[in-house]
Formats: sequence, C-alpha cells, structure tokens
Amino acid sequence: EAGVTQFPSHSVIEKGQTVTLRCDPISGHDNLYWYRRVMGKEIKFLLHFVKESKQDESGMPNNRFLAERTGGTYSTLKVQPAELEDSGVYFCASSQMGFSYNEQFFGPGTRLTVL
Amino acid sequence: GENVEQHPSTLSVQEGDSAVIKCTYSDSASNYFPWYKQELGKRPQLIIDIRSNVGEKKDQRIAVTLNKTAKHFSLHITETQPEDSAVYFCAARETGGGADGLTFGKGTHLIIQP
Repeated sequence: EAGVTQFPSHSVIEKGQTVTLRCDPISGHDNLYWYRRVMGKEIKFLLHFVKESKQDESGMPNNRFLAERTGGTYSTLKVQPAELEDSGVYFCASSQMGFSYNEQFFGPGTRLTVL
Repeated sequence: GENVEQHPSTLSVQEGDSAVIKCTYSDSASNYFPWYKQELGKRPQLIIDIRSNVGEKKDQRIAVTLNKTAKHFSLHITETQPEDSAVYFCAARETGGGADGLTFGKGTHLIIQP
C-alpha cells in the first residue's frame, strides 16, 4: 500500500510568487492534516480536514495560506504571495476515521525555500 | 493551547548505552502522546505512543513513561544501535475534543557514537 505522497519534494521561489503544494493521503483515510516545520523549530499544526470539510484551521498563520480538499481525496496548500518566513518543510499526514487514537501517517514533506 | 517542551535538543551516546528524551506538556486535557522518529531525508514515523490511562508502555528496546500529575513523559531507548540515530519528536493531543492536530516538541537529534 502506498503511503502519503507529497509533491513537489522541493520548491524554490521568490518572495511575492505563488506556490501550490499537493498531498495525496493514504487511500481511505478521511482525516488529512497539514503541518509545517520552520528551521530548528517544532513541527507545527496548520489545519485538519475531515473528508472535504475543514475541521480545524486554527494553525493557519494568515490569509496568504489557502488549503483545499475538493472531493475529499487529495489536498492542496497554496501560499500567495509567499514571504521569506514561509520557508520550511511542509508535511501532510493522514489517518483513518472512527477511532480517536488512530496513527497519523506522515508524508515525506515539501521543502519550500522563499528567496 | 497546548505547549510541549522537549529536552535535550541534541543527545550523543555510545553504542550500546541507553538514551532518554524528556517532554513536558501544559494542557491537562491532553490524553494521547505519540513519539515520532525522523531519519535523515525520510518522513516522520510513529515508533511508540501512550494514552493517559497507562503509565508505561514498552516495545522491545523502546519504552515510554507518562506522569500525568507532573505532566511529563519520556522516551527510553536501551542498547542503542547505529540505526537509532535520528531526530525524535514527542507530541501531545487531546482526543475527542474536536481539535485533532498534534502539538510537537522541537525534536531531539540523537547521535549514536560507534
């Protein structure tokens, strides 16, 4: 079974440009999460989808970030316009519904560098 | 919201020795505490977790202990091996509260010296 996949693995953009990150969760996983790790700091929660609905977006830093999960399958995270402080590794994770302690499976991450 | 502190940031031990990584959390409502291991260039992977109704859990060479009163939990690795070298993250979460995101510590870089 394929794990969580993310695309691209790396992205280098200039300040002010737009970048869209994609996450494909494990098939059948209704829960999808986005996290971000800025250099040397903790992995920080951004938001949580249950199927296509945003369950919790309390971690989204500001309105330059837009996450979608149309159809409840893959998800995209768009940053527009990108700022220097957006640099970091963006992780996606997914888990099954129905059990509170279900393991969150992580993707390999997208390393975003904003110059 | 929840805040998780993790220490040390770097830990170097001789192969075969034990390693201990400690975390504290702030929200007494947190009831689920997973540990993730991230090897260089790879994704974070769950290695062990503990729920608040249990004080200790063991899986081969790794164990986790939880002290709810003091709000701290620790990861213990015995008989360390070179493949244990990685960054380890502790995390906390309140299940059933509607907010399912994990709150992570800053990570511990574990180095196993041959």
